[in-house]
Amino acid sequence: GDSVTQMEGPVTLSEEAFLTINCTYTATGYPSLFWYVQYPGEGLQLLLKATKADDKGSNKGFEATYRKETTSFHLEKGSVQVSDSAVYFCALSDRGGGNKLTFGTGTQLKVEL
Amino acid sequence: DTGVSQNPRHKITKRGQNVTFRCDPISEHNRLYWYRQTLGQGPEFLTYFQNEAQLEKSRLLSDRFSAERPKGSFSTLEIQRTEQGDSAMYLCASSSGGQVNEQFFGPGTRLTVL
Repeated sequence: GDSVTQMEGPVTLSEEAFLTINCTYTATGYPSLFWYVQYPGEGLQLLLKATKADDKGSNKGFEATYRKETTSFHLEKGSVQVSDSAVYFCALSDRGGGNKLTFGTGTQLKVEL
Repeated sequence: DTGVSQNPRHKITKRGQNVTFRCDPISEHNRLYWYRQTLGQGPEFLTYFQNEAQLEKSRLLSDRFSAERPKGSFSTLEIQRTEQGDSAMYLCASSSGGQVNEQFFGPGTRLTVL
């Protein structure tokens, strides 16, 4: 079945540091890929998405590129802020049936001054 | 606010009791999903509806769990004879379908079974 693997956290960075959170996937067919973010005490929010190979999703300074050849969708940000502290989830959506989401286990990011 | 809402936000119950949660999706969305999230894990799919029809159920959804969406609007998730292993955050999401099918999540209902 479909699966998503993310790097384990927590990831602790200083403000303005470069961020990479690795995500790889296994899926039949050609899924859509997503990054969701969960801030403390809040619900899941869509951060960015990509629907086909070589698409780049971007939002709020975060970027991720759909790499079919390496089945990866790594999240990057050039300069993190304390307000980026949250749990980040990589997910895929199958194109058949109900397009349900399959999530990774999440990576907690802590940004310190 | 026109986002997805869930009630109650928190529920504490004793083992063996029945509980029911409600989800109100974004009004124009025809798809509604239920997920379960345990501590330190990502959400896991439970079931989904297209309008009032329940089209898929995960093997995680034991026969103690039942979900309905009677008029294609709000949905309820009932757990009968709760067990301590049912303690989790129950998330609802809705979408308008389509190829990308972006799902919008509610704040969740946190269930604690004592």
